[in-house]
Amino acid sequence: QSALTQPASVSGSPGQSITISCTGTSSDVGGYNYVSWYQQHPGKAPKLMIYEVSNRPSGISNRFSGSKSGNTASLTISGLQADDEADYYCTSCTSSTTLYVFGTGTTVTVL
Amino acid sequence: EVQLVESGGGLVQPGGSLRLSCAASGFTFRSYWMKWVRQAPGKGLEWVANIKEDGSEKYYVDSVKGRFTISRDNAKNSLYLQMNSLRVEDTAVYYCARSAYFAFDSWGQGTLVTVSS
Repeated sequence: QSALTQPASVSGSPGQSITISCTGTSSDVGGYNYVSWYQQHPGKAPKLMIYEVSNRPSGISNRFSGSKSGNTASLTISGLQADDEADYYCTSCTSSTTLYVFGTGTTVTVL
Repeated sequence: EVQLVESGGGLVQPGGSLRLSCAASGFTFRSYWMKWVRQAPGKGLEWVANIKEDGSEKYYVDSVKGRFTISRDNAKNSLYLQMNSLRVEDTAVYYCARSAYFAFDSWGQGTLVTVSS
């Protein structure tokens, strides 16, 4: 089971919007509405930002939104803030014996 | 407040064994699937294992099958990962995570496992 493909880095200025893509196959992203997104600051544990493609857990800012089209899921961060600078990972359930596959990770830089 | 606290990491030689623990509090532990996830130094996240609420179902990533065993003690609100026949490539920070909505909704701070001679 190969990792889901994410861009290595995405950057934006404060206040701007950015979108991170997460591309898989019909056996994972395209086959399930169980895509989730995680934010990880350096040296810290990951934090759930989006679950089931587009749902935000309690306490997560509505500046974070998720969507999916075909085999590609996306995370959009609007009104970019300095604290959004972190690594972001997507994950999806899969139909393989590897029940969950993570994305390759994207480093977000706030210019 | 949900709290997950891992322990048991350390330095071990290739071929050795280690048992990780995760102490859970702040929620009804017996009502949730639990997972282990690892992150090699400077690398991405990798799902390692899942266990059902009552421990009756367990799943593993192919690379650890036959070497790692996930278990839980609901009376002690604790999750475990027994790791045998450790390899250099098992070196990572190991996180325990609670499962909800087919996602990893709460994470511990992680424990570092280093496999080296």
